[in-house]
Amino acid sequence: DAKTTQPPSMDCAEGRAANLPCNHSTISGNEYVYWYRQIHSQGPQYIIHGLKNNETNEMASLIITEDRKSSTLILPHATLRDTAVYYCILSRHTGNQFYFGTGTSLTVIP
Amino acid sequence: NAGVTQTPKFRILKIGQSMTLQCTQDMNHNYMYWYRQDPGMGLKLIYYSVGAGITDKGEVPNGYNVSRSTTEDFPLRLELAAPSQTSVYFCASSYMGGSGNTIYFGEGSWLTVV
Repeated sequence: DAKTTQPPSMDCAEGRAANLPCNHSTISGNEYVYWYRQIHSQGPQYIIHGLKNNETNEMASLIITEDRKSSTLILPHATLRDTAVYYCILSRHTGNQFYFGTGTSLTVIP
Repeated sequence: NAGVTQTPKFRILKIGQSMTLQCTQDMNHNYMYWYRQDPGMGLKLIYYSVGAGITDKGEVPNGYNVSRSTTEDFPLRLELAAPSQTSVYFCASSYMGGSGNTIYFGEGSWLTVV
């Protein structure tokens, strides 16, 4: 599976949008972009995923560039409870293996 | 639904001992996974299974064994425990379907080898 590159840490003011970038320049045509987050030492939690088109759900929005070499997870109104490590993962939908990198540690500041 | 259940939650092992981490899921998922997470690091895939009777190695399989005799259960066996296996272990499951492959994680098992 292709690798992803994320900044190790980011800060965001409470109430503001948090924009978390992810580079995946070697993504394959059949690989989806998934985002998970891990709060403290809990098991990771699914946020959103997409293939080509931008996606939105109740938690976040996912913007994927047209060439699919990078993406951005957007938390529209960050709260203190959004402080977590966010993982960007590439995965096919067959013979699947999910490989987690080191992620981005997001701190939401009051 | 209980989701993914792991036991035990905490365990201290002596070097050279063996133990089994239990994992069961009640969502009828075909895929199951074992990850480990060392302090301050991301998750590393140990083993995974695409269905009963089928298992395969992930990134860090050495020192571990798994089996998948039923859809629900995916135990992880540690043989001859070593300090390097001190970690938090997460079991997970997912259903491979057309709408995606969302993974559901258990709450983790904290293992210390002394």
